[in-house]
Amino acid sequence: AQTVTQSQPEMSVQEAETVTLSCTYDTSESNYYLFWYKQPPSRQMILVIRQEAYKQQNATENRFSVNFQKAAKSFSLKISDSQLGDTAMYFCAFMKHEGAQKLVFGQGTRLTINP
Amino acid sequence: EPEVTQTPSHQVTQMGQEVILRCVPISNHLYFYWYRQILGQKVEFLVSFYNNEISEKSEIFDDQFSVERPDGSNFTLKIRSTKLEDSAMYFCASREAGGSYEQFFGPGTRLTVL
Repeated sequence: AQTVTQSQPEMSVQEAETVTLSCTYDTSESNYYLFWYKQPPSRQMILVIRQEAYKQQNATENRFSVNFQKAAKSFSLKISDSQLGDTAMYFCAFMKHEGAQKLVFGQGTRLTINP
Repeated sequence: EPEVTQTPSHQVTQMGQEVILRCVPISNHLYFYWYRQILGQKVEFLVSFYNNEISEKSEIFDDQFSVERPDGSNFTLKIRSTKLEDSAMYFCASREAGGSYEQFFGPGTRLTVL
């Protein structure tokens, strides 16, 4: 079974700073996908960024980028120039390529951006 | 932009009662999911549904739970006899076949069992 671990329950930074959220996972699969989801106070789950395991290049979406280390099974999220609207819970998630492709989530990191 | 919708946004029920949570997935999506999130905890997979049948279910999804796609647009989760520990946020998600494998989530239904 796959597991996802987020070791930082809470983080807090000042607006405009850069912050990195950590995620590690455990799997015996060779082909899979990794995601970061944002859950603001409204509780809606919003996809931030995704990474295909077969791609060596790290995914980037505007201010959001990942550091994907397949051998180390690590998938961190970097938020540059953080904004007040980035305040939310962030969940790392794993999905196998084969099968029903359910998402397996980590415990989440509560990120607060301070003005 | 197409979105997943869920009704009701909040449901309060008495222990032992049946509840039905409703979801309308994005229209061209073929894979459907239910997840739940107990307050303060992580999001947990309940069940996936494809081609009018369950494709995978978790240990949480016992005989008290069932899913149905009654009319080609709605996707429902039924809990036959609710327990206090069923109190949680329930999220529906859907995705298209192939493509980016992104699952689009609905806004959730908060279920409170008294």
